Amino acid sequence: GENVEQHPSTLSVQEGDSAVIKCTYSDSASNYFPWYKQELGKRPQLIIDIRSNVGEKKDQRIAVTLNKTAKHFSLHITETQPEDSAVYFCAAYGQNFVFGPGTRLSVLP
Amino acid sequence: NAGVMQNPRHLVRRRGQEARLRCSPMKGHSHVYWYRQLPEEGLKFMVYLQKENIIDESGMPKERFSAEFPKEGPSILRIQQVVRGDSAAYFCASSLSVPPQGHYGYTFGSGTRLTVV
Repeated sequence: GENVEQHPSTLSVQEGDSAVIKCTYSDSASNYFPWYKQELGKRPQLIIDIRSNVGEKKDQRIAVTLNKTAKHFSLHITETQPEDSAVYFCAAYGQNFVFGPGTRLSVLP
Repeated sequence: NAGVMQNPRHLVRRRGQEARLRCSPMKGHSHVYWYRQLPEEGLKFMVYLQKENIIDESGMPKERFSAEFPKEGPSILRIQQVVRGDSAAYFCASSLSVPPQGHYGYTFGSGTRLTVV
């Protein structure tokens, strides 16, 4: 079955800096890759997603890149703000969703 | 659209009791997924259901856990004879299509936090 790895597990950046979170997946049949943000005690919320026929997608300060050959995809957050502090999960969808273990991002003022 | 509704938000059960968690998907969504999240951990897939059918239960423990999504009413995740290790947040998600796509394609409910004492 699908296996999703995510790095780093924790990430601290200064406000205004960029943050990058990387994920790898194992099932080449996976074709949909969403990213979720979960604030403490709240539900995971979809922030951006990418399909396998696209290499990059951007939405304001957030971008996702996908390398199908290498089976990895990354989340890029630019000009980070304190409200970006949360746990971020990547996921890969083949037959069902498999989530990465999460990255705890702390943006320091 | 009220989104995915889960209840109760918090549930306390003594060891050996039964826990029933409810999930009403977004209007028009016929695909429901249950996930378990232990403290400080990620989301673990449990089961995927469509109306009246279990499609994939590969993540569900073989004993004490069951799920249903009847023709009418919410999806139910049932845990019999709960143990302390069942304490977790249980999230439900729903989607309109398979695979889910777009901003509203896969929406999580607020979760039920089960505490077994």
